[in-house]
Amino acid sequence: DVKVTQSSRYLVKRTGEKVFLECVQDMDHENMFWYRQDPGLGLRLIYFSYDVKMKEKGDIPEGYSVSREKKERFSLILESASTNQTSMYLCASSFTLNFPHSNQPQHFGDGTRLSIL
Amino acid sequence: DQQVKQNSPSLSVQEGRISILNCDYTNSMFDYFLWYKKYPAEGPTFLISISSIKDKNEDGRFTVFLNKSAKHLSLHIVPSQPGDSAVYFCAASAGSKGNTPLVFGKGTRLSVIA
Repeated sequence: DVKVTQSSRYLVKRTGEKVFLECVQDMDHENMFWYRQDPGLGLRLIYFSYDVKMKEKGDIPEGYSVSREKKERFSLILESASTNQTSMYLCASSFTLNFPHSNQPQHFGDGTRLSIL
Repeated sequence: DQQVKQNSPSLSVQEGRISILNCDYTNSMFDYFLWYKKYPAEGPTFLISISSIKDKNEDGRFTVFLNKSAKHLSLHIVPSQPGDSAVYFCAASAGSKGNTPLVFGKGTRLSVIA
């Protein structure tokens, strides 16, 4: 079974703090993703990475950065936390299989509920 | 502009009956579609997917139907069980190799009543 582990289930931080959210996967997946989930908005992509040291912006990257120094670990960084970044953060990973219609789903961790006060 | 739409925020079904969850998409480049199930305080769990080369995929009680001309897919759950009560997200991507991001709908909350 795929295991995607997020370091904290609940986190409370103050406005202006630098916040690190960590995600580790144990399946040697090439691809890792960070989403946030907000009521009525579904899941929105923040950043993703398809290889070590590679990163791509998603739909809502403002106020965030990421780091992928090792294949199994993908970190999301809130440079200066603000109250509008209070949300559920979800990490996912997937395997790349390079033939058409190979149907590789993303597998999610249990999420980090982050509150910024 | 929402590329993946789940127009029903909630659905109630009696135990044992069929649950039908619907999803529409606008981007004709999407060729891989997935359904995820989410319980409160947990991450989404992958349920079932379908590639654009098929129009139906079945896994136990779960069947996904894809109508490419209508840009519509649906998830059928038969028979529905109380444990199926959760939020269901439809997702799509332009590519199924695993290295393209997913675009999610806003979710449909399914309540299965005993």
